[in-house]
Amino acid sequence: QVQLVESGGGVVQPGRSLRLSCAASGFTFSDYGMHWVRQAPGKGLEWVALIWHDGSSQYYADSVKGRFSISRDNSKNTQYLQMNSLRAEDTAVYYCTRDIRSKYFDLWGRGTLVTVSS
Amino acid sequence: EIVLTQSPGTLSLSPGERATLSCRASQSLSSSSLAWYQKKPGQAPRLLIYGASSRATGIPDRFSGSGSGTDFTLTISRLEPEDLAVYYCQQYVGSPPITFGGGTKVEIK
Repeated sequence: QVQLVESGGGVVQPGRSLRLSCAASGFTFSDYGMHWVRQAPGKGLEWVALIWHDGSSQYYADSVKGRFSISRDNSKNTQYLQMNSLRAEDTAVYYCTRDIRSKYFDLWGRGTLVTVSS
Repeated sequence: EIVLTQSPGTLSLSPGERATLSCRASQSLSSSSLAWYQKKPGQAPRLLIYGASSRATGIPDRFSGSGSGTDFTLTISRLEPEDLAVYYCQQYVGSPPITFGGGTKVEIK
């Protein structure tokens, strides 16, 4: 079954760190670029980060640059989002999604909720 | 950064009616770079349309996309109760930043 499953969300205090994981199955993970997209409560979708299929390049939204780091382990069919120096405004559901031809996202996970609160 | 502006913010229509959703880009886009997604509460976003007008796999033919340059449209020809959702346009011109519009909420009367 072709799917993405996120994990690692939870409640964390401002300034602390959290690492999200996204496990892929049912397709050749190493053939695809992967992204993280988030949705804050009551807000719209916001692109967060991209990693190329081979992990050679990473890109970030300005709102997370310098604090978040995207990575992947193709041997484990898993990508990660390391989130440091978390802020209240990082509170959101984080979705893992698959890149198609650097044009759109065709497969999404169900998301994992990150709440940054003291 | 390319800004996408969606209108209207909310659309309230009866089942069977036609819904027309607009997405305007701050600069001209290749049609291949514009996609539409459906987002229901508690669910993952779902790809509806890519390349401005191509339906994704399994999407009913009552959903259609059109447009070019800076103006794009998602049309739902005959609204069904299950179409209650927020709809987002997205641009991805081959490299980040990737941006989404603010969304149009479709309400069923």
